[in-house]
Amino acid sequence: DAKTTQPPSMDCAEGRAANLPCNHSTISGNEYVYWYRQIHSQGPQYIIHGLKNNETNEMASLIITEDRKSSTLILPHATLRDTAVYYCIVRLNTGNQFYFGTGTSLTVIP
Amino acid sequence: DADVTQTPRNRITKTGKRIMLECSQTKGHDRMYWYRQDPGLGLRLIYYSFDVKDINKGEISDGYSVSRQAQAKFSLSLESAIPNQTALYFCATSEPKVRPGLAGGSSYNEQFFGPGTRLTVL
Repeated sequence: DAKTTQPPSMDCAEGRAANLPCNHSTISGNEYVYWYRQIHSQGPQYIIHGLKNNETNEMASLIITEDRKSSTLILPHATLRDTAVYYCIVRLNTGNQFYFGTGTSLTVIP
Repeated sequence: DADVTQTPRNRITKTGKRIMLECSQTKGHDRMYWYRQDPGLGLRLIYYSFDVKDINKGEISDGYSVSRQAQAKFSLSLESAIPNQTALYFCATSEPKVRPGLAGGSSYNEQFFGPGTRLTVL
């Protein structure tokens, strides 16, 4: 089952783009990349997901490399409310389980 | 009203006590999950259920049991609570969707989480 590697923490200035990297070098062909975030002790919140193509929604953009071994979540104009732990998850094929890992703690600085 | 609710939100109990955490959802999803979260360890899956008659163990099921009383309800029990079960517990639901036009017709999931239950075992 594919696992992910993320930096433990990052800072970003308010109003600037936050680029959160994720490595998933063992991802298999039909596995999606999901991103969730968790604002202090609240339940995790879905952000975006993708398979091969880059994706964009009202919250963020997801850039997946051509070999699918890594991806980047982009928050185009970070606000203080974006301070959270961001989880990059690859969906496991068996049992539909999600492996959350420890994520990246993003701090948006005023 | 919240789509996924958990009760209680906070609970303090003593070692050896039986504890039940309850989860209810109004999303109409068949799939429900229980996770625990410990500082520095992210979320870990305890049990999951794909329908009322289906129960599956997750990464860390030892010391826990579950009951799927109905599509909308999924309860987690600690038969004899111990201090290292002190954690933040989350319930989640999901419904698989198929994304048209993709090679392999792969299904995908979005999980919806409850607000969490903070359990302390003394």
